[in-house]
Amino acid sequence: NAGVTQTPKFRILKIGQSMTLQCTQDMNHNYMYWYRQDPGMGLKLIYYSVGAGITDKGEVPNGYNVSRSTTEDFPLRLELAAPSQTSVYFCASIHGTVYNEQFFGPGTRLTVL
Amino acid sequence: AQSVTQPDIHITVSEGASLELRCNYSYGATPYLFWYVQSPGQGLQLLLKYFSGDTLVQGIKGFEAEFKRSQSSFNLRKPSVHWSDAAEYFCAVATSILTGGGNKLTFGTGTQLKVEL
Repeated sequence: NAGVTQTPKFRILKIGQSMTLQCTQDMNHNYMYWYRQDPGMGLKLIYYSVGAGITDKGEVPNGYNVSRSTTEDFPLRLELAAPSQTSVYFCASIHGTVYNEQFFGPGTRLTVL
Repeated sequence: AQSVTQPDIHITVSEGASLELRCNYSYGATPYLFWYVQSPGQGLQLLLKYFSGDTLVQGIKGFEAEFKRSQSSFNLRKPSVHWSDAAEYFCAVATSILTGGGNKLTFGTGTQLKVEL
């Protein structure tokens, strides 16, 4: 199993541009998550999904959108990039009991200039 | 609301010395607690987790953690640190999302560990 994969690894955007961060897991996990990590701030939950077609907001959803059309994929969309969205983005998944740990992807480092 | 506090932003230890990283949580119900490690440029890897039972939990890479309900703490320890342990360490508490499973994690702000040779 590849686990949780994320593309791209790095990206530089200009203010106002849009992009999609890709996340795929091959573990048949029903729950998937997007976090952002800023220095000294830990990880903050952006959006999560409890299964295909079902998503919900996390702690910091503004400026982002998600969709979940399949079990495997959970893309994160930035519509109008802003410097405040400069961060490292992590995708994670879990099979779905509170006892299980979340498995994390390697991250996408995004810079908005 | 749940929260996690890691009071030490940076810690430096000598190789071979013992290590303790502090974690305090605030959560009204039974906490489900995790420690993750993040090496530079990498994602997060689980070190250990606590759900119930024995309050001393063993993890990978020689780490252990002790759950103390009276102190709302879940401190991470290692008897002898290796240079390869240099990384950032995150404590997290999980809450259930829906009946039947799933969780949301609330993370602490992390502790950056530096190991001196």
